[in-house]
Amino acid sequence: DAGVTQSPTHLIKTRGQQVTLRCSPISGHKSVSWYQQVLGQGPQFIFQYYEKEERGRGNFPDRFSARQFPNYSSELNVNALLLGDSALYLCASSLPTSGLGGANVLTFGAGSRLTVL
Amino acid sequence: EDQVTQSPEALRLQEGESSSLNCSYTVSGLRGLFWYRQDPGKGPEFLFTLYSAGEEKEKERLKATLTKKESFLHITAPKPEDSATYLCAVRSQTGYALNFGKGTSLLVTP
Repeated sequence: DAGVTQSPTHLIKTRGQQVTLRCSPISGHKSVSWYQQVLGQGPQFIFQYYEKEERGRGNFPDRFSARQFPNYSSELNVNALLLGDSALYLCASSLPTSGLGGANVLTFGAGSRLTVL
Repeated sequence: EDQVTQSPEALRLQEGESSSLNCSYTVSGLRGLFWYRQDPGKGPEFLFTLYSAGEEKEKERLKATLTKKESFLHITAPKPEDSATYLCAVRSQTGYALNFGKGTSLLVTP
């Protein structure tokens, strides 16, 4: 079975540019989450989407946006890139959330490594 | 606000030398504590979920335990292939996010 797939795996952008990262969840998983992982740090929550709706948003500026498509795949967009946006962007999928405290486990993809020059 | 602190930041062990990694957390009502393993250049790989103080889970050479304030990941007789960064996370109060610690980088030498 295919796991969570992300593309591209690596990309280099310059300050001020825009980037779109893509994620395909595990078949049957309807929830997709995005995390940013800066070198030497743990992943930091950006968004969670379920059934095409934003369910949660982390402490990130409005330059970060995302959407989920009818096939449950997702895109993360970052506008006006800054040097500090250089990071590994992780997508994770999970089964539908059955309320707070549900036993849904996040399965992560390998990530998209973004370098901003 | 939820806080997760992992220690040590880095740990070097000889093959077969058992040890423990610590994860201290501060949350208002624990909704799940998670352990993940992350290899260089890869995404985190799920290991365990713990919900209640006193709960324990095992997988091969790894055993995770939970108290009201911290969790331990015990590694028994580690092998070089256990070398990785081990991440601890707690589910946020909203339930939508995992709040991660910075991780412990483990190196096991032959």
